[in-house]
Amino acid sequence: NAGVTQTPKFQVLKTGQSMTLQCAQDMNHEYMSWYRQDPGMGLRLIHYSVGAGITDQGEVPNGYNVSRSTTEDFPLRLLSAAPSQTSVYFCASRGRTGRSHGYTFGSGTRLTVV
Amino acid sequence: RKEVEQDPGPFNVPEGATVAFNCTYSNSASQSFFWYRQDCRKEPKLLMSVYSSGNEDGRFTAQLNRASQYISLLIRDSKLSDSATYLCVVGSNFGNEKLTFGTGTRLTIIP
Repeated sequence: NAGVTQTPKFQVLKTGQSMTLQCAQDMNHEYMSWYRQDPGMGLRLIHYSVGAGITDQGEVPNGYNVSRSTTEDFPLRLLSAAPSQTSVYFCASRGRTGRSHGYTFGSGTRLTVV
Repeated sequence: RKEVEQDPGPFNVPEGATVAFNCTYSNSASQSFFWYRQDCRKEPKLLMSVYSSGNEDGRFTAQLNRASQYISLLIRDSKLSDSATYLCVVGSNFGNEKLTFGTGTRLTIIP
């Protein structure tokens, strides 16, 4: 049981490049989310999904796209990378039952945009 | 005003001591509450959910005061392994998919 797997762990992009951060979970969780974490700020929600085919925006969605074609995968796409998107990105998931159980997080992707 | 506010610390506490953190939240409609811990350069990990009646998990006790809109975490008999950043997290809607994280309180346990 791998939990939540994020790839890559590190990435350097040039301004204007696009890329996809991968997230996969093997726990059959319905709910998945993407967060970014910046120094001095709490984790901020980018996009989330309550099931396959359903996504919605979080607090800071601009510059990012998501899709949820399967229960397991929830990729995050950066359309045209900007230095302001330099951050640590975390994917998280939880099951439908046990709302109080909270989310399980992946180990993160450290992204630098130069 | 931040939606979730925490004292950033750092708290430097001798091993075996008791330490308490508080967290305040601004949205009175908040429905779910959690404490996560995050080790340096690692992902957040759920420490415990916080229930209205208060709850305990070993050396950790969490309390919720809805009237004053604050959450507390008490750590008794602190261990070196408790050194981490503690994140206060609040969910505003029933499904708690939109979680708001505090910036965290840094705790260092001193031998």
